Amino acid sequence: KAGVTQTPRYLIKTRGQQVTLSCSPISGHRSVSWYQQTPGQGLQFLFEYFSETQRNKGNFPGRFSGRQFSNSRSEMNVSTLELGDSALYLCASSSTSEVTQYFGPGTRLTVL
Amino acid sequence: DAKTTQPPSMDCAEGRAANLPCNHSTISGNEYVYWYRQIHSQGPQYIIHGLKNNETNEMASLIITEDRKSSTLILPHATLRDTAVYYCIVRVLSQGGSEKLVFGKGTKLTVNP
Repeated sequence: KAGVTQTPRYLIKTRGQQVTLSCSPISGHRSVSWYQQTPGQGLQFLFEYFSETQRNKGNFPGRFSGRQFSNSRSEMNVSTLELGDSALYLCASSSTSEVTQYFGPGTRLTVL
Repeated sequence: DAKTTQPPSMDCAEGRAANLPCNHSTISGNEYVYWYRQIHSQGPQYIIHGLKNNETNEMASLIITEDRKSSTLILPHATLRDTAVYYCIVRVLSQGGSEKLVFGKGTKLTVNP
């Protein structure tokens, strides 16, 4: 079974731009969670989607948003990028029967 | 905040067992102990989890104390590829409910040749 995939793997943007990251969960998984990892703050939870609905949200500004499609694929969007948004963005999926979260390889975002 | 405490770093000789401790003194009765590891700049990899009994899989063993206030992850024969940051996480499993993982700083394990 294929693992969680994330695209793109690397991205460079400039301040003020917006960015959309994509995540395809493991087949059959309906929950998708997003995390941000920075050297200073470590791994932090952004939000979780289940059946196209946001179920949980971390403590991030409204510039960070996401959505989930009917096929469980998810996207996250960051608007008005700031230098501090440079990070590794990780997506994880889980099923309702086995709630262990499995992570993708991440998208490395650099904001210049 | 993370509910676990781990040493920031450990060293282990290749071929020897690596024993990684974790304290979770405020763990509740329905909270599981999960272990993940992250090799530099990759996504965290699930290793093992347990509630109260010891668990073993093809990657590692998890020993949880009887009072459940601490646990140890054991890599029986460490290799250079086991060099990574290991995260111990306490999480609640609520069937059908929302989940999130709260990561601490983890233990940087270095396996030396």
